[in-house]
Amino acid sequence: DQQVKQNSPSLSVQEGRISILNCDYTNSMFDYFLWYKKYPAEGPTFLISISSIKDKNEDGRFTVFLNKSAKHLSLHIVPSQPGDSAVYFCAASGNTGNQFYFGTGTSLTVIP
Amino acid sequence: DAEITQSPRHKIIETGRQVTLACHQTWNHNNMFWYRQDLGHGLRLIHYSYGVHDTNKGEVSDGYSVSRSNTEDLPLTLESAASSQTSVYFCASSRWGGTGELFFGEGSRLTVL
Repeated sequence: DQQVKQNSPSLSVQEGRISILNCDYTNSMFDYFLWYKKYPAEGPTFLISISSIKDKNEDGRFTVFLNKSAKHLSLHIVPSQPGDSAVYFCAASGNTGNQFYFGTGTSLTVIP
Repeated sequence: DAEITQSPRHKIIETGRQVTLACHQTWNHNNMFWYRQDLGHGLRLIHYSYGVHDTNKGEVSDGYSVSRSNTEDLPLTLESAASSQTSVYFCASSRWGGTGELFFGEGSRLTVL
């Protein structure tokens, strides 16, 4: 069973607007969450993370929100730029932080 | 600069053949992982290692094996390749007890005919 789910395979957003990517998880033992960005023919690269002791973490245009009671996290990108067009993976791990479970990815297209 | 490299980047083999995908990292990370990426499945963990001589099975380990004889390398072997193993394979590494951030290689695209 998929422990980390990204139910939207794709998302299109106009340049300058907000992009919201969602992720749900089922394992209540997960306490560390990350977002990765992947361009075609490249490996995923780390974008932003959040620990379960927080409900928000911000880094420039990127903000991740965590709702532990709903087992849901989201990535907000404001403002969206064409260079943000990529596949975004959500990942989660337990308290060892050493083994990660990934979602199926959301392909974001930012339209100029 | 420290890095993680995979080879080959592209490989085509026949069903039943053995193939080994190499992964080499220069960060001196204890943890190393192999994932496969398939449409509709995202990244799924094949095998992982927490240090030299340590190996563990992930969620899709059948048909794959790894060995860890030093810190830098975690080769992935397909003993008898099947068409279902056609995929893009990513190696990753992370520090022990760190933030847990994974550093990925650029991927190896394997086609089994």
